[in-house]
Amino acid sequence: DIVMTQFPDSLAVSLGERATIDCKSSQGVFHSSTNRNYLAWYQQKPGQPPKLLIYWASTRQLGVPDRFSGSGSGTDFTLTIRSLQAEDVALYYCQQYYASPITFGQGTRLEIK
Amino acid sequence: QVQLVQSGSELKKPGASVKISCKASGYTFSNYALNWVRQAPGQGLEWMGWINTNTGIPTYAPVFTGRFVLSLDSSITTAYLHINTLRADDTAIYYCAREPPGGSNWFDPWGQGTLVTVSS
Repeated sequence: DIVMTQFPDSLAVSLGERATIDCKSSQGVFHSSTNRNYLAWYQQKPGQPPKLLIYWASTRQLGVPDRFSGSGSGTDFTLTIRSLQAEDVALYYCQQYYASPITFGQGTRLEIK
Repeated sequence: QVQLVQSGSELKKPGASVKISCKASGYTFSNYALNWVRQAPGQGLEWMGWINTNTGIPTYAPVFTGRFVLSLDSSITTAYLHINTLRADDTAIYYCAREPPGGSNWFDPWGQGTLVTVSS
């Protein structure tokens, strides 16, 4: 199985500042035949299901604010939240869909400093 | 709008079984596979498997073979997760989630989740 590891486990950032969450996969999730990284990011607020933010490592889902961006390739990926808002307090998960079984990172808790 | 609405919370005794439903609406049911994801209390996300809504054929993550059964009733655009011989460690929120056509397995949207509590 591909193991997804997120860094850090928790993070406190001041309002208006940048938040970055890293995700590392135990093997590459880039598929040369499609030239894509099979990596998604989700946001989960308390009592709610996860919400898709980013797929193909850097494609923002429709309706997701442009302060959210994804980057990286191969085994190393980053979710960046530019100018943190109060409503961004949540758990964030990365997910690989390169190989079965699909696996998620352990989650990163983002709080306001 | 695209929606997945799941059945309500369940309280079961160890050894019992449970069937959770996921009603899809707002799109052509057979065009999008449905996945199931488990989230134990205070824990992360575990992918359980998916079901092809065109053929009805399920695929399970290795950890979820045996006691877990995915099925469909396409006539009412509903998918089901059946868990047999429940154990205390099956206590979790179970989500259904749609994936886009073509086998790209990101999930959007998700159902609201069904809490299953297994306790004597």
